[in-house]
Amino acid sequence: NAGVMQNPRHLVRRRGQEARLRCSPMKGHSHVYWYRQLPEEGLKFMVYLQKENIIDESGMPKERFSAEFPKEGPSILRIQQVVRGDSAAYFCASSPPRGTGNMNTEAFFGQGTRLTVV
Amino acid sequence: GQNIDQPTEMTATEGAIVQINCTYQTSGFNGLFWYQQHAGEAPTFLSYNVLDGLEEKGRFSSFLSRSKGYSYLLLKELQMKDSASYLCAVRDRGYSTLTFGKGTMLLVSP
Repeated sequence: NAGVMQNPRHLVRRRGQEARLRCSPMKGHSHVYWYRQLPEEGLKFMVYLQKENIIDESGMPKERFSAEFPKEGPSILRIQQVVRGDSAAYFCASSPPRGTGNMNTEAFFGQGTRLTVV
Repeated sequence: GQNIDQPTEMTATEGAIVQINCTYQTSGFNGLFWYQQHAGEAPTFLSYNVLDGLEEKGRFSSFLSRSKGYSYLLLKELQMKDSASYLCAVRDRGYSTLTFGKGTMLLVSP
């Protein structure tokens, strides 16, 4: 059973370009969370999605950032017109549907995508 | 607001015991988690507390006092491979969204 898969592992973009980060949750998981980790900072929650629904996007910047989790395929975090300050590690986590799985190990993290904006 | 505090870094010797403290003030509480993160890697789950008391799991134990907004992670018989960042996180809502501290970098020396 593969874990949470994120790709690419490393992504370099020039200022003004678009970045697309992909996350495939663990098999059987229908909840996806995106976090951002800046150097010397903790993981910061960005957005929580279920299939075809955004449940909580309170941590997402209001502009340039968007996320989706379509019925088929991976979840995508999209950053338009990237700036240097977007350089960070972006982690995806997944958890099973409510009422299943183990409550105390709900969130499993992927290896992250390290975005560098030059 | 949400605030989770933990020491920035700690050092310890191989074979010793170390305690990493975490204090939190959050608008809600639905469990406290500890994760381990090696440089460049994914956070991996270590422990979970939702009730007061001590949870033991091999060399790792975690304690929670909800009235004090306090937790600690205890690592026994330290090994070199335990050198990593240890993240304290609170689940402050009904689902799995976590609020993380900045992490404690633990360096284990021979």
